[in-house]
Amino acid sequence: AQSVTQLGSHVSVSEGALVLLRCNYSSSVPPYLFWYVQYPNQGLQLLLKYTSAATLVKGINGFEAEFKKSETSFHLTKPSAHMSDAAEYFCAVTSSYKLIFGSGTRLLVRP
Amino acid sequence: SAVISQKPSRDICQRGTSLTIQCQVDSQVTMMFWYRQQPGQSLTLIATANQGSEATYESGFVIDKFPISRPNLTFSTLTVSNMSPEDSSIYLCSVEDRGYTFGSGTRLTVV
Repeated sequence: AQSVTQLGSHVSVSEGALVLLRCNYSSSVPPYLFWYVQYPNQGLQLLLKYTSAATLVKGINGFEAEFKKSETSFHLTKPSAHMSDAAEYFCAVTSSYKLIFGSGTRLLVRP
Repeated sequence: SAVISQKPSRDICQRGTSLTIQCQVDSQVTMMFWYRQQPGQSLTLIATANQGSEATYESGFVIDKFPISRPNLTFSTLTVSNMSPEDSSIYLCSVEDRGYTFGSGTRLTVV
C-alpha cells in the first residue's frame, strides 16, 4: 500500500530563510502526490499536486515541490519564509482512490 | 474546484449522545470521504461514501460507531454515535475534484 513519511515533526526557520519540508513516499505504482497546509483552527488548503506531468510543481504562496523518483521524494520548498507561512504542512499520496496523509510537519518562522 | 459546506463547525456534546455532521457539495461527485483528525495528529480516513451503496470503512472504524448516509451525489452525513471523550477530534469531509478538496471541518468536544 502507498504511504508517505514526513521527516521532522517540527521545522524552525528564520524569516527570509529557505523553507525545506521533507516527504518520502512508498508506492508500487506511479503516485499522485500532494502538499496541503493547515493554518490554526482552519481546514486544509491544497498547496500543490504532482500528477505525473512536470516533475517540478509550482504551487500557491511561492511554494514548489520536486518529484524525484530515484529518491522517492517530494520535498516542499520556498525560497524565503514569511511569518504568515507558520502552519502545519501535510504530504499525502493517493492509494487507489483514497488520500493517505503523512504525520505532518509544523513550520515555525522566527522573526 | 468543488466547494464544500460542512456543518456544524463546532459542537460540545455530552458523553453517550450522538452528533450528525453534514457535508453539502456544490457539484455532483461520485465519492465522498470522511476523515478524523485527533488533537495534534494527522488525518485518518474513516470511510468512503458512494451514492446508492454502503460506505466502505477503514480498519479500526465500524458502521455502528460511525454510520454514514449518502442519499445523493451532492450530500453526505457522518454520525458519531455513543460519544466518549476519546471522540473529541476534528472531522472533515472531502471530495476528489482535480485534487482533493476538504470541508472546513467540525471541531467536536465530548465532555
